[in-house]
Amino acid sequence: QKEVEQNSGPLSVPEGAIASLNCTYSDRGSQSFFWYRQYSGKSPELIMFIYSNGDKEDGRFTAQLNKASQYVSLLIRDSQPSDSATYLCAVSRTLNDMRFGAGTRLTVKP
Amino acid sequence: DVKVTQSSRYLVKRTGEKVFLECVQDMDHENMFWYRQDPGLGLRLIYFSYDVKMKEKGDIPEGYSVSREKKERFSLILESASTNQTSMYLCASSPQVSGREQYFGPGTRLTVT
Repeated sequence: QKEVEQNSGPLSVPEGAIASLNCTYSDRGSQSFFWYRQYSGKSPELIMFIYSNGDKEDGRFTAQLNKASQYVSLLIRDSQPSDSATYLCAVSRTLNDMRFGAGTRLTVKP
Repeated sequence: DVKVTQSSRYLVKRTGEKVFLECVQDMDHENMFWYRQDPGLGLRLIYFSYDVKMKEKGDIPEGYSVSREKKERFSLILESASTNQTSMYLCASSPQVSGREQYFGPGTRLTVT
């Protein structure tokens, strides 16, 4: 079992819709959770982080964390074609053990 | 804004060459990391450093070494490049507090022929 699992996609949504990206993790001691966006040929860019159970909103992005279910998700409201990218989920327990999922490729169609 | 820079965007080397990849960050971060990213495998940690002259092995350190002589600079060294080290190499930095977010440089796409 992979430590951080994501559906590789591609996930395709129409412009203006809500895109829902999901991630599960295996280490119950994980404390910090991150979402990165990576455009093709570029490096990952941090878009959200969440440390506590519940929802955290930032503009069109909402991160949701459920530690009991070992589940973290990212919702993108009013999806735009510029949101088309690969989204990486990352989970960390301590300083040096950030684990990344392989990413979900999102395509937003005009 | 955090700025992490890497010495080269693209690099082509021959098998057996010694390769140096350099990373510089300007945010006074204590922690610096080297990853490689391969399709389907995601990001894998090669080495990280939590202070000058301090280093720790990550998941895949074999064939690599690192150097951190100054706080802002972290170098990755391929002692004798091999074709299976063809990959995208990403440097990242983060503040000292455990579990904080990491900021990535633009990456170096290394091809070993």
